[in-house]
Amino acid sequence: RKEVEQDPGPFNVPEGATVAFNCTYSNSASQSFFWYRQDCRKEPKLLMSVYSSGNEDGRFTAQLNRASQYISLLIRDSKLSDSATYLCVVSGYPGGTSYGKLTFGQGTILTVHP
Amino acid sequence: DADVTQTPRNRITKTGKRIMLECSQTKGHDRMYWYRQDPGLGLRLIYYSFDVKDINKGEISDGYSVSRQAQAKFSLSLESAIPNQTALYFCATSEASIDYNEQFFGPGTRLTVL
Repeated sequence: RKEVEQDPGPFNVPEGATVAFNCTYSNSASQSFFWYRQDCRKEPKLLMSVYSSGNEDGRFTAQLNRASQYISLLIRDSKLSDSATYLCVVSGYPGGTSYGKLTFGQGTILTVHP
Repeated sequence: DADVTQTPRNRITKTGKRIMLECSQTKGHDRMYWYRQDPGLGLRLIYYSFDVKDINKGEISDGYSVSRQAQAKFSLSLESAIPNQTALYFCATSEASIDYNEQFFGPGTRLTVL
């Protein structure tokens, strides 16, 4: 079983749609959680961190369920510029073997069309 | 100027050749990482370094070696390149923080081994 699993998609949605991505992780001791965005042939960049209480940044909402080891990303009112690959990322706790390292899911491809 | 730079950006080489990929950063971060990205597999960690005197293997270190020449420089070597090392290689940096692990990526090196 992969440490971090995502539905690779692709997701093809019209502008204005709401789309949700899901991610599960296998290490219950994981401490930090992120969504990164990667444009085609570019480097990954942090989109947002994910907190237990849930957090929102404009049209983007991230949720974490530690009991189910599940992370989600919701994009509302999709824009053409949201087309990218979205990477679910987890990191370990201090003292653990995965501390300071990021483990990436394989990414979910999103295409927003006119 | 970019905070994390990689050279070369593209390289085509032949099986058996020695290749060095270089990474430099101006962010003042202690931690540096090398990843490779293959289609459908996401980013996988090759080596990482938490400071100049610290080098650690990642999940796929076989066939690779690294050198941390200074806080700002971390190079990756393929001693004898083989075709399945054809991939997109990313260098990344992060702060030495207990509870925050955002990583900043370079633009990537596209390596093709014939």
